[in-house]
Amino acid sequence: DTGVSQDPRHKITKRGQNVTFRCDPISEHNRLYWYRQTLGQGPEFLTYFQNEAQLEKSRLLSDRFSAERPKGSFSTLEIQRTEQGDSAMYLCASSSDGRIFNYGYTFGSGTRLTVV
Amino acid sequence: AQTVTQSQPEMSVQEAETVTLSCTYDTSENNYYLFWYKQPPSRQMILVIRQEAYKQQNATENRFSVNFQKAAKSFSLKISDSQLGDTAMYFCAFMKPVSSGAGSYQLTFGKGTKLSVIP
Repeated sequence: DTGVSQDPRHKITKRGQNVTFRCDPISEHNRLYWYRQTLGQGPEFLTYFQNEAQLEKSRLLSDRFSAERPKGSFSTLEIQRTEQGDSAMYLCASSSDGRIFNYGYTFGSGTRLTVV
Repeated sequence: AQTVTQSQPEMSVQEAETVTLSCTYDTSENNYYLFWYKQPPSRQMILVIRQEAYKQQNATENRFSVNFQKAAKSFSLKISDSQLGDTAMYFCAFMKPVSSGAGSYQLTFGKGTKLSVIP
């Protein structure tokens, strides 16, 4: 169990640019989540994958955001035409059906995005 | 929709002392799960303790215990014998089970309490 990996750890981008983040979940976990955490707030749900299927999206996920999980393995979160309001920590988490109530999620260390 | 409220933005405690972090939540569900997560500075969030709503017995994990009051919708975390390594943001979170196997089981978090353990 190597944990949930996120890359990059930090990203600084100019407003209007596109950015892509990657998450590698724990290999046997079928569930993958993306959350956004802004300063002074708790994490907020963005989207959820069960295997390769994106089954739920938050209203926070505007049409500038897109997420994929090809083949049910790693996932990417892309933000197009970034805005300063997109500056936040983007957290990825994974879990499996057998673990979710006993262990919750396993979180990655997050990608901190700064839009200048 | 569920909401989670943590009314203490910041707290401090002397090393070796006991501290209690409060959490209240609002839900119309009867069965659900509650969690406390710890997020140390610049490190990943880890699970501290969990509680199932249908269990009356309060959960305990070593120095961490909860006071779960279902009727009051309260779920406080007690940390005994505080250690310097307990310094972190603590988040209370709610999970509602869903009947469908495709349910997201998303977590709803509070805003967090920043705990500082003072030597």
